[in-house]
Amino acid sequence: SAVISQKPSRDICQRGTSLTIQCQVDSQVTMMFWYRQQPGQSLTLIATANQGSEATYESGFVIDKFPISRPNLTFSTLTVSNMSPEDSSIYLCSVGVTNTGELFFGEGSRLTVL
Amino acid sequence: RKEVEQDPGPFNVPEGATVAFNCTYSNSASQSFFWYRQDCRKEPKLLMSVYSSGNEDGRFTAQLNRASQYISLLIRDSKLSDSATYLCVVRGSNYKLTFGKGTLLTVNP
Repeated sequence: SAVISQKPSRDICQRGTSLTIQCQVDSQVTMMFWYRQQPGQSLTLIATANQGSEATYESGFVIDKFPISRPNLTFSTLTVSNMSPEDSSIYLCSVGVTNTGELFFGEGSRLTVL
Repeated sequence: RKEVEQDPGPFNVPEGATVAFNCTYSNSASQSFFWYRQDCRKEPKLLMSVYSSGNEDGRFTAQLNRASQYISLLIRDSKLSDSATYLCVVRGSNYKLTFGKGTLLTVNP
């Protein structure tokens, strides 16, 4: 298993500002994943954060809106840029176990944009 | 057709009841299947993997029908603590996990 710490756990932000969410894992992992869970919706993968290379974004998500850093094998950040109320969501960091496919999630960052 | 589709719910059952959740997936090349549990305002956590031969973990039984692209989860003797949202999750050949919207279960005393 993996212990994943995310912060902030929640925040209320003004439209047009940006927020950076941090994710710390207690062990070295190759890939880290960032998900979004909007109210009443399923988890949607935003991007895969790879150490030493640029993140891989899923359809509908772009680097300018969700820049990601991955400076080492235990840490990643996701920035939600130029926020609008539509960005209000829970953002979750996760790491996977390759052979089983299981994902471990951080507790999530609940973002409200006014 | 959505990639992973679940019973919309919500399910409200009394303690001790048996409840079944169904899930269908669209990609026939999907390789691995899971049920996750998500408590209110918490992160999802793995409940159990789903194997082709079906598998059981205590009161929980998961089954997979690859021909019909169908997954199920059966909970016997429901407990109050089983109240949660149950997420059907499918992994494709690219190792990407796709989540269903989840089915909310409330077990009542």
